[in-house]
Amino acid sequence: GQQLNQSPQSMFIQEGEDVSMNCTSSSIFNTWLWYKQDPGEGPVLLIALYKAGELTSNGRLTAQFGITRKDSFLNISASIPSDVGIYFCAGSQGAQKLVFGQGTRLTINP
Amino acid sequence: NAGVTQTPKFRVLKTGQSMTLLCAQDMNHEYMYWYRQDPGMGLRLIHYSVGEGTTAKGEVPDGYNVSRLKKQNFLLGLESAAPSQTSVYFCASWTGLHGYTFGSGTRLTVV
Repeated sequence: GQQLNQSPQSMFIQEGEDVSMNCTSSSIFNTWLWYKQDPGEGPVLLIALYKAGELTSNGRLTAQFGITRKDSFLNISASIPSDVGIYFCAGSQGAQKLVFGQGTRLTINP
Repeated sequence: NAGVTQTPKFRVLKTGQSMTLLCAQDMNHEYMYWYRQDPGMGLRLIHYSVGEGTTAKGEVPDGYNVSRLKKQNFLLGLESAAPSQTSVYFCASWTGLHGYTFGSGTRLTVV
């Protein structure tokens, strides 16, 4: 089945560092979404992107919808312990169904 | 307003046993989905429904059945559980522009 290529698969950083992760696809998407999953919980939406080239922020998080519509990235600035979790990218091609990346597991050393 | 509620949260089955996972949403959403999450595999779609009385296969449907008799409920059944079905199962409903609202998951272990 179709999946997005998300990288890196895992990150180990120090508190206060910036984080960057991205998703790529061979297909075009109309919408890109970024979710975060806390341990023992379901994914929760962080940022939604609807237009090629769009740059959107949510607090310390910034995400961009690639110009080619085949990629997206998520940056987290000045990481804090509560940023720990798994981050998923997801794309929609217009139908009411999402395709997900494999996830990026973020671990923060205090 | 509870959103998407999944029951049970944890379950241990013996190989060959059957069980049903329940998903309930109170947002009047038409589209509902069942995913499984395995380490390094992300979220893979098992089955989905576009409305009451409808179901469709996703990416990994084998070994599972679903039913959507009422709009608010989407049931996932395992007729004869296998160790390969050990996973975390998530239900979701479509919110529109904001993608999915997920339940908190069911952790299933098949021994």
